[in-house]
Order: sequence, then C-alpha cells, then structure tokens
Amino acid sequence: AQTVTQSQPEMSVQEAETVTLSCTYDTSESDYYLFWYKQPPSRQMILVIRQEAYKQQNATENRFSVNFQKAAKSFSLKISDSQLGDAAMYFCAYRSNPYSGGSNYKLTFGKGTLLTVNP
Amino acid sequence: DSGVTQTPKHLITATGQRVTLRCSPRSGDLSVYWYQQSLDQGLQFLIQYYNGEERAKGNILERFSAQQFPDLHSELNLSSLELGDSALYFCASQREGGGTQYFGPGTRLLVL
Repeated sequence: AQTVTQSQPEMSVQEAETVTLSCTYDTSESDYYLFWYKQPPSRQMILVIRQEAYKQQNATENRFSVNFQKAAKSFSLKISDSQLGDAAMYFCAYRSNPYSGGSNYKLTFGKGTLLTVNP
Repeated sequence: DSGVTQTPKHLITATGQRVTLRCSPRSGDLSVYWYQQSLDQGLQFLIQYYNGEERAKGNILERFSAQQFPDLHSELNLSSLELGDSALYFCASQREGGGTQYFGPGTRLLVL
C-alpha cells in the first residue's frame, strides 16, 4: 500500500518570503499522480498543484511550484512571495494512474503541514 | 467554488441515531469519492462510486453505507452513530480516469 509522509507538522514564513513544504511517499508503482491540496480555516479542500509521475518537468502554478524527485520519492511544494492568504493546512496526496494499470483510484493523504504566514 | 455541493453543512445528532449526507458532483463527473477527516485519523478514503456502481472501498465501517443515484448524486448513510464518528465528511468528484478530484465544502458531523 502507498504511504505519504509530511515530516513538518508546522511551518512559518514571513510575508513575501519563500517557503518549501516537504513530502515523501512510498510506492511500488511507476506511474501515478501527486497533488498538493490546501485547506484554509474554512476547511474547504482546494487543489493547489498536480504532477504526473511520467512528466519530468516540474509543475508550476503561478507562485506555487514543485520539486519532483521520482527516484527519491520526494515531492516538495515551494511557495514564492508568500501572502497572508496562503496560511492554511497543506496536504500532499498520492493517487495511482488507472491508465497504467493502477487499481486504486483513491487519494492517499499525508498528515498535513500547517503553514503560518507572518505579516 | 469547486462545483461539488454537499448538504447539510453542519449536522448535530445524538449517539445511536442515523443520518444521511448528500453530495452532488460537478456536471459531467461520473465518479464520487467519500472521505472522512478526523483529528486522530486524518483524511481517510471511505468509498468510491462510478456511474452508479460501487468501485472501491476503504476503511468504511459496516454501520456506514453509500449509494449513487441515476442522476449521479450520492448519499452517505451513517447509522448507530458513536461519539467517534464526529468528523468532517467530504465528497469529491472526478471525470474519467486520470482526472483531478475536486472536493465539496464538507459536512461537519457532531455526535453528542
């Protein structure tokens, strides 16, 4: 079974600075998807960014980018120019790729990293 | 707004009772997933439906059941409720195959 580990329960960053959140995962599959979701105080789960394992290029969405190291099974999220609205719980998640024979379509989540942004 | 709706937003009930949580997926999405978020267990997958049929089961208790109707909305039924069932219940919907799962706002259940 796949597992996802977020080793930083809490992180803080100054407004306008850059912060990196860590995530590692364990899988025997070669093709899969990785996600970062954000959960602000409203508790809504919001997709931040998605990475397909077969793509070597790291995904980027505006101020959010990932560092995907497939061999190391590492998937970190970098937030640049941090804003007060970035304060939230961030979850890393794994999902099999059904087009590659994966049979498990559920998302497996890490325990989350609580990000505080200081003004 | 993800396009996924869930009702009710909040639910307070007593132990031993039964409740039904409802989810309407995004237009065109055939898959619905249910997740439970609790303080001690984190976010856990409960069950998945695809076009009306159960496709995968996670750590769902026997007291819990779900179904997906012809109009693709889904209901999660929780019975013989216990204090430990208090949690935030999310549904997520997804298009075919490799699509991203988009989450509804969740139903916060409190069992007293």
